Amino acid sequence: GDSVTQMEGPVTLSEEAFLTINCTYTATGYPSLFWYVQYPGEGLQLLLKATKADDKGSNKGFEATYRKETTSFHLEKGSVQVSDSAVYFCARGDRNYGGSQGNLIFGKGTKLSVKP
Amino acid sequence: GAVVSQHPSRVICKSGTSVKIECRSLDFQATTMFWYRQFPKQSLMLMATSNEGSKATYEQGVEKDKFLINHASLTLSTLTVTSAHPEDSSFYICSAADPANQETQYFGPGTRLLVL
Repeated sequence: GDSVTQMEGPVTLSEEAFLTINCTYTATGYPSLFWYVQYPGEGLQLLLKATKADDKGSNKGFEATYRKETTSFHLEKGSVQVSDSAVYFCARGDRNYGGSQGNLIFGKGTKLSVKP
Repeated sequence: GAVVSQHPSRVICKSGTSVKIECRSLDFQATTMFWYRQFPKQSLMLMATSNEGSKATYEQGVEKDKFLINHASLTLSTLTVTSAHPEDSSFYICSAADPANQETQYFGPGTRLLVL
């Protein structure tokens, strides 16, 4: 069935290191793709999204490009900070689900720890 | 950004009792709210979609008589776990759809349920 697969963590990096968290999806059609972030003790927050092929979502220095040919939406950041320590979830939507309401299918999450 | 709260954040109950979890959108009206369940090191699994003023739509495999959902107002949805058993112990997360863009969801911080 349709799913989202993201790299398993935990990922531990030093401050200012380059970050990549891989995410691939399976789906019929062309769903919207999302990255959510969950900081300790808080709810999930939308980090960025892309709604069609070749779109690039970006926010807070993070970027992800919707790659239709590889069905991927890898998250990248050139220089991580300690404050980026959190759990990152890749998700895909299906705007056709239930009419206008958006269903989300999540990956398992990747925990990132950034050390000073 | 939009804020969604959940109450309680943590609950411990005895087997056989019922537990109610509240989800509130604090600064916007949400016609659609979602309830998810998250097991340790697993992704969020959608349990049901809650629409204000109508019956919830449950995902396959989710018992509607076990997990009662009420969305009586545009800012409140409740999930009641009836006759809870230890296997119901989990992390329950709600979200509310952005009324201007249903694909965007704002998440609550989650409720940790432990059934003894």
